[in-house]
Amino acid sequence: NAGVTQTPKFQVLKTGQSMTLQCAQDMNHNSMYWYRQDPGMGLRLIYYSASEGTTDKGEVPNGYNVSRLNKREFSLRLESAAPSQTSVYFCASSIEQINEQYFGPGTRLTVT
Amino acid sequence: SQKIEQNSEALNIQEGKTATLTCNYTNYSPAYLQWYRQDPGRGPVFLLLIRENEKEKRKERLKVTFDTTLKQSLFHITASQPADSATYLCALPGTTDSWGKLQFGAGTQVVVTP
Repeated sequence: NAGVTQTPKFQVLKTGQSMTLQCAQDMNHNSMYWYRQDPGMGLRLIYYSASEGTTDKGEVPNGYNVSRLNKREFSLRLESAAPSQTSVYFCASSIEQINEQYFGPGTRLTVT
Repeated sequence: SQKIEQNSEALNIQEGKTATLTCNYTNYSPAYLQWYRQDPGRGPVFLLLIRENEKEKRKERLKVTFDTTLKQSLFHITASQPADSATYLCALPGTTDSWGKLQFGAGTQVVVTP
């Protein structure tokens, strides 16, 4: 099992460009999450999907959109990137909401 | 949402000693609390989950306590080893309407020296 995979690993964007971060899990988990991690601030929830077909906002959803494509895949889209979105992005999944979360390796995004 | 406080100063400890980390929260008592380990450049890895009706949970050399009166969880690493050097994060539900929305502390770095 690969667990949680994320692509790309690194990305540099110019202000105003768009991109989609991809996430997939092969553990048959129902819930999936997107976080961002900034120095000294810990992980902050952007969006989550409790189950296939549902999505909900987290703590910092502005500037992002998500798609739960199927049970395995949960993508995060930046429509018009801003320097404030420079961060490390982690995708995670769990069997159900209250259970432990399994994290991917992260995507390092720099917006110039 | 919760305000979660973890000691921002690194904890330097000698191999073989017990490391104790603190996680304090300010608002409502959550139904559970989780602890994760994060190594540089990697995603967090789940360690332990403790529920509000459990006072203590153990896993190998790790022990977690949960005091809902003090609004505090303590995380202990006994007989610490250099391989335990990492950042440790506590996490708990950020809202009462969705227990799956975790809110993470900023983490405490542990450095174990031989």
